[in-house]
Amino acid sequence: DVKVTQSSRYLVKRTGEKVFLECVQDMDHENMFWYRQDPGLGLRLIYFSYDVKMKEKGDIPEGYSVSREKKERFSLILESASTNQTSMYLCASYDRVGNQPQHFGDGTRLSIL
Amino acid sequence: AQSVTQLDSQVPVFEEAPVELRCNYSSSVSVYLFWYVQYPNQGLQLLLKYLSGSTLVESINGFEAEFNKSQTSFHLRKPSVHISDTAEYFCAVTKTGANNLFFGTGTRLTVIP
Repeated sequence: DVKVTQSSRYLVKRTGEKVFLECVQDMDHENMFWYRQDPGLGLRLIYFSYDVKMKEKGDIPEGYSVSREKKERFSLILESASTNQTSMYLCASYDRVGNQPQHFGDGTRLSIL
Repeated sequence: AQSVTQLDSQVPVFEEAPVELRCNYSSSVSVYLFWYVQYPNQGLQLLLKYLSGSTLVESINGFEAEFNKSQTSFHLRKPSVHISDTAEYFCAVTKTGANNLFFGTGTRLTVIP
C-alpha cells in the first residue's frame, strides 16, 4: 500500500518565521503535490513536481516555494510565514503511469501566530 | 480549464436514509472523474473513480456514482447511509493525460442517528 507521510500533524509558528513542511512517499512515484485546504474553498494546488529538481506552480504559489532533491521527498517552504497561511496542508503523490488516483498524507495543520 | 462545482456544502441525513451528493464539472475535453472522502483529522482517500467504460462505478462500501456526459455530472449516491459515513466528500476532475486534479469545494455529509 502506498504511504505518504507528512512529518508533522500539527505545527505552530510565528509570523516571519521560515517554515518547512516535509512529505515523503515510499512508492517511487514521480509526481508529488502540495495543496492547502480551507473551509469553503476545498483543496487548492500550491506547487507540484513531476521529477527530481523539477517544479511547477499551481494555482496559489505566492508566498511558498518547494524543494525536491530526492524522488521520495517533497518539501514545502514558507519563506516568511504570515497569518493568512494558517491552514491545513496536504501532500499527495502518484505514479506517472496512467491516470492513477493521487494518494494523500494525513495533513499538517499549520497555525501562524 | 477544468472546474468542479459541488453545490451542497452541507448535507444532513438520517441514518439508513438515501443520499445524493451532487457534482458538476466543466471541461471541453475528455476527463477522468474521482470522488474522495476525508474522515475527521485524516487526509483524503479515494472512494471511486471513472476513467472509461461503464458509466456507473461503485465503491466497496456501498457508494456509487454515475458519469453523465450530457449533463456533465458525476453525482455520488448511497441507498442507505451509516453513521460511519459522516465525512467530507470531494469531487475531482482531471483531463486525460494531465497531472493535476481540480477539486470541488467539498460536501460535508452528516449522518444523524
